[in-house]
Amino acid sequence: AQRVTQPEKLLSVFKGAPVELKCNYSYSGSPELFWYVQYSRQRLQLLLRHISRESIKGFTADLNKGETSFHLKKPFAQEEDSAMYYCALKEETSGSRLTFGEGTQLTVNP
Amino acid sequence: GAGVSQSPRYKVAKRGQDVALRCDPISGHVSLFWYQQALGQGPEFLTYFQNEAQLDKSGLPSDRFFAERPEGSVSTLKIQRTQQEDSAVYLCASSSRPFRISTDTQYFGPGTRLTVL
Repeated sequence: AQRVTQPEKLLSVFKGAPVELKCNYSYSGSPELFWYVQYSRQRLQLLLRHISRESIKGFTADLNKGETSFHLKKPFAQEEDSAMYYCALKEETSGSRLTFGEGTQLTVNP
Repeated sequence: GAGVSQSPRYKVAKRGQDVALRCDPISGHVSLFWYQQALGQGPEFLTYFQNEAQLDKSGLPSDRFFAERPEGSVSTLKIQRTQQEDSAVYLCASSSRPFRISTDTQYFGPGTRLTVL
């Protein structure tokens, strides 16, 4: 069965520092990977997806099939980036569900 | 326009009671999903509807959980004989196209926090 692992429950950095939120997955096929974000008192929302190869709010994520990873990176963290981040996987075939990791709470200190 | 809405936002039930949770998806959205999010965990898939058809219910944890979307819009998640382990936030999401086919975005509701005493 597919599985998504986010090894860090909490991550704290200072404003302007680089940040990397780790995500590893286990899935035998070719998955689609996503990052979702939940800001304080807001609902869960899509941040980015690997197939779009886009940068959103300065964040990027590269799918590394060899290492089965999809780490989220930003070179200079901002205080408004403080939020809960979830990595999620969608199976290529069934496609009806997202499998989420447990999430990483990012705090960017001034 | 309005996003996905859920009601009630908070529900307290005594063990053994039945509860019904409502989801109003974005108007015209074909796909609807239910997730369960326990404290400190990520959301876990429960079930998926494409219009009124329940295409995947493999995530429902027991036969006490039942979901319906009779007219292809509003959906209700019903939990019978609630147990303490059912305490969680129940999230609803919708997307505009069949999720199997596209990588359309899922839009999430605010969730219903269920506490079973």
